[in-house]
Order: sequence, then C-alpha cells, then structure tokens
Amino acid sequence: DSGVTQTPKHLITATGQRVTLRCSPRSGDLSVYWYQQSLDQGLQFLIHYYNGEERAKGNILERFSAQQFPDLHSELNLSSLELGDSALYFCASSVAQGRGQETQYFGPGTRLLVL
Amino acid sequence: GDSVTQMEGPVTLSEEAFLTINCTYTATGYPSLFWYVQYPGEGLQLLLKATKADDKGSNKGFEATYRKETTSFHLEKGSVQVSDSAVYFCALSSAQLEGNNRLAFGKGNQVVVIP
Repeated sequence: DSGVTQTPKHLITATGQRVTLRCSPRSGDLSVYWYQQSLDQGLQFLIHYYNGEERAKGNILERFSAQQFPDLHSELNLSSLELGDSALYFCASSVAQGRGQETQYFGPGTRLLVL
Repeated sequence: GDSVTQMEGPVTLSEEAFLTINCTYTATGYPSLFWYVQYPGEGLQLLLKATKADDKGSNKGFEATYRKETTSFHLEKGSVQVSDSAVYFCALSSAQLEGNNRLAFGKGNQVVVIP
C-alpha cells in the first residue's frame, strides 16, 4: 500500500458526460501528479500540482482540468467524454517539487470506461 | 523531448532463469532513472532508482546501473520467481528544472515466469 488513495476504483459512463476522479496523497506529500495509461499511448503525464498551485502540464486535453485543494487532495475533471478517453488514470504524490530526484508514489488508479 | 525506449514485446522465461530488460533514454542534462513494476490489477510500485551516473539501484534481487556513456538503465535479476510476473516500466525524470518532476515512461514489458 503506497498510501495514495484514489476513488472511485471503476467508473462507467457515456460519451458526452462529465466525471470527477479524486486523489488523496500520502500524508505529508505536497505534490500530486496525474497520469493516463492507455493501450495505444502507454503511460502519459497529464498535470502536476504542488501545494495547491499548478506546476507543469503535459499531454492534457482542454476538456480535462484538475485542481488541488487546501487539504492537498486533488480532483481530475474530465468533460465531454469520448470513447478514446477510456483508460486507467493514476494519481501519484511526492514530498516536494524537487529537481527530478524524488520518488513518486502511485495510487491504485481509476479505470474509466466510456460507452 | 525526454524519452525512454524499452525492448519490444513480452518476456517469457522459466523460474530461476536470468532476466534482463533493456532500457535506453534520451534526455537533456542529467535525469534520474527509475524502474516501476505493475502487478495485475494494481498501481505502479517503485522497484529501484538511480539519480546519477554509475549509481546502481537495487531491490528484491533486481539491479540496474545508470550508464551515461550508453544512456542505458537495463534491469537485471539473477533468478526469477513466478511472483516476479508483472509489467515493468522504465522511467526518467528531468533534473534540469525546479518543479519539473514529471516522469516519462517507456512502453513497459510484460514478464511471465513459468514454473
């Protein structure tokens, strides 16, 4: 158990809908990262928040947004869902926002299926 | 941009055999390198890491050495067990920019160990 929790574990929804994925980082970690894992694209970095502020963006679609709250939990919002958004979404956390040496601890993921 | 290349295809081997999974990278500066493992139905777990050239990461009998001259970080284990069956991901994190702690992953290798 990494100490990172994600809810829900599974999510089934229809095209055009909007969903919210939730992540709670390990106790004491200030950074939260979101990744998408799909069969065709592999594991891709989406976005990084540090202590409530956005720090870096990766291959995140405009239909997707995220935020980190004062209690440090984070939510990833996916809207106008398309079939191709079906994937496993991981959250990870780390202590700070260092120069790449920090270990990121991953949650169990949320499996999203868009029908 | 920064990228990681892993050898193509699944790896199938017998119990107690020697395992090697190749990983090469392209990056500016001096990245940190990681191996993560994903067991069926679970999130990613850090297996080992190395943060500078010639460092050797090791854990649970697995080893990998950070080779700057060949830009490689190959994973090895001398005698695999059935419980090592999983997907293995090589990843890097750039050390150049403060706050740039995103992980770039390889495509992963499915390892199947047969009793």
